[in-house]
Amino acid sequence: QVQLKETGPGLVQPTQTLSITCTVSGFSLTSYYMQWVRQTPGKGLEWMGFIRSGGSTEYNSEFKSRLSISRDTSKNQVFLKMNSLKTEDTGVYYCALWELGYWGQGVMVTVSS
Amino acid sequence: DVVLTQTPPTLLATIGQSVSISCRSSQSLLHSNGNTYLNWLLQRTGQSPQPLIYLVSKLESGVPNRFSGSGSGTDFTLKISGVEAEDLGVYYCMQFTHYPNTFGAGTKLELK
Repeated sequence: QVQLKETGPGLVQPTQTLSITCTVSGFSLTSYYMQWVRQTPGKGLEWMGFIRSGGSTEYNSEFKSRLSISRDTSKNQVFLKMNSLKTEDTGVYYCALWELGYWGQGVMVTVSS
Repeated sequence: DVVLTQTPPTLLATIGQSVSISCRSSQSLLHSNGNTYLNWLLQRTGQSPQPLIYLVSKLESGVPNRFSGSGSGTDFTLKISGVEAEDLGVYYCMQFTHYPNTFGAGTKLELK
């Protein structure tokens, strides 16, 4: 069955880079778009971007300058990297497969020194 | 960006009561391909969002038929016909007709 699981650092210092991995199973990354969404106390749910089945990406301009989404299809993994972190980036980060109606459990990220 | 305004912010209901949540968009969500990409999600406490409805009115697999969605253009409604205890949580509308995809602020459904 379809599963998505995010793994990440938990705590990141301000100005540093956040790296989160979404490991998937039960479907092929080359067939579907993979989304990244975050949920913060300040702004609620925010769409961050996606990687298409063909590998191209689309980003929310809110994050575009510091966000990168990539994947390794051989490992069934999708990656989110965001640099120049601020305390306002604290929240839960989700990967999601909207076309089939699945979200990961999310990973809590705290940005603090 | 498209702004989705949900009302009410909080909804108090008794078990068995029917309730409705409104989602109004700042722009029409009708895509040039004829689809309207308006979905509804439920987030229970401590859980990730769970998709309920897609394309305005289509139920995701496994979602009870007491949930229904309707609307067009800029005005959309989620109706629960007979609230059950498992329906409590925060409901969100979301759109992906226009970039960036956006979410409403949520409507919290609580027991009266």
